[in-house]
Amino acid sequence: NAGVTQTPKFRILKIGQSMTLQCAQDMNHNYMYWYRQDPGMGLKLIYYSVGAGITDKGEVPNGYNVSRSTTEDFPLRLELAAPSQTSVYFCASTTTGGRGFTEAFFGQGTRLTVV
Amino acid sequence: KQEVTQIPAALSVPEGENLVLNCSFTDSAIYNLQWFRQDPGKGLTSLLLIQSSQREQTSGRLNASLDKSSGRSTLYIAASQPGDSATYLCAVRYNFNKFYFGSGTKLNVKP
Repeated sequence: NAGVTQTPKFRILKIGQSMTLQCAQDMNHNYMYWYRQDPGMGLKLIYYSVGAGITDKGEVPNGYNVSRSTTEDFPLRLELAAPSQTSVYFCASTTTGGRGFTEAFFGQGTRLTVV
Repeated sequence: KQEVTQIPAALSVPEGENLVLNCSFTDSAIYNLQWFRQDPGKGLTSLLLIQSSQREQTSGRLNASLDKSSGRSTLYIAASQPGDSATYLCAVRYNFNKFYFGSGTKLNVKP
């Protein structure tokens, strides 16, 4: 049962470098999300997607980009890394929206440090 | 703007105590509320999910309640154990499947 898989687990970037955080889920979930968690804080929504080809901004989208070409994959791109992007990044997925049962499943996180 | 607040931010108790963690939210038009556990350096593990039409959910020593009208949820942990030490997060779901998280309660259960 893979669930939500994130890679890499850790990464150190230099200011101005770019990278892509990978996220894949094997539960056939339509909804996928990227969150960041700063020390001692809750999770803040960066971007989300309601299905392949559809993405939208969350609370803190600046400095990030996403794409959703397949149901399974939802990569997060940092184009010009800045120290403010040092954080732990979590990918999540849920079943279709509506008022019904919708449980969120999370990956193990990517710890990113920008120096 | 939806805001989720968790009190207390940290809690230290001796083993065996019953304890209550609190979560409050400003917008009562929720679809559901989910409690998670996060161990240091790890991801989030789902503990309990309460639908907006439910009042409580139970799993083992855990019981979560929901009062939409007052914008509150509580997580009750019975007979706490050192293995319960972790950070507990609540997440409130509104429409379009957006989840809003509290900043968590860091629990330490002393042997």
